[in-house]
Amino acid sequence: EPEVTQTPSHQVTQMGQEVILRCVPISNHLYFYWYRQILGQKVEFLVSFYNNEISEKSEIFDDQFSVERPDGSNFTLKIRSTKLEDSAMYFCASSPQGQTYEQYFGPGTRLTVT
Amino acid sequence: AQSVTQPDIHITVSEGASLELRCNYSYGATPYLFWYVQSPGQGLQLLLKYFSGDTLVQGIKGFEAEFKRSQSSFNLRKPSVHWSDAAEYFCAVGARGGNTPLVFGKGTRLSVIA
Repeated sequence: EPEVTQTPSHQVTQMGQEVILRCVPISNHLYFYWYRQILGQKVEFLVSFYNNEISEKSEIFDDQFSVERPDGSNFTLKIRSTKLEDSAMYFCASSPQGQTYEQYFGPGTRLTVT
Repeated sequence: AQSVTQPDIHITVSEGASLELRCNYSYGATPYLFWYVQSPGQGLQLLLKYFSGDTLVQGIKGFEAEFKRSQSSFNLRKPSVHWSDAAEYFCAVGARGGNTPLVFGKGTRLSVIA
């Protein structure tokens, strides 16, 4: 069964450093998402991406965040200058076009900012 | 704005006992409703979803959920819990009309005892 994959599973970085989180969505899906979950809190939407552009973003997704689909398979989230409060689990999701609306989630990348 | 409330942070049930996890949502119309499960170290797996039609929906692993419009609820049930059901359960709501972001509840952690 096709699945969303994410790398790395765990990333440790120092405050102020740039990180790139990588995702490979399900191959025939057209919508892509990033969510994050700070420890002990709810899963929160960051950004959605369709047709090579951002379709929606939340207040969390400020100028230090960016997304890219550099090729036909990868979908990346870049955090330009990490802060301690960026420590969280980051989930990638994808969904097919149409009314089924199901979002399929990857296993997540745990980002720890020290 | 949409919101989801899962009033129970942690529930403990005995193996073989029945289970009900509560979910209340706030949305101006009938939303799309989902239950996801997250096992330790794993991503979010879709258990079931409600879009329209029959208000009692069946999902994987023997779970079901009932949409009650009058109560703005979408409670998850299982008649007989197995030890492998121990996990975190998230209720989520999505707006109708396309591939829009999901809004999650804070989750309910389920522990299963012998």
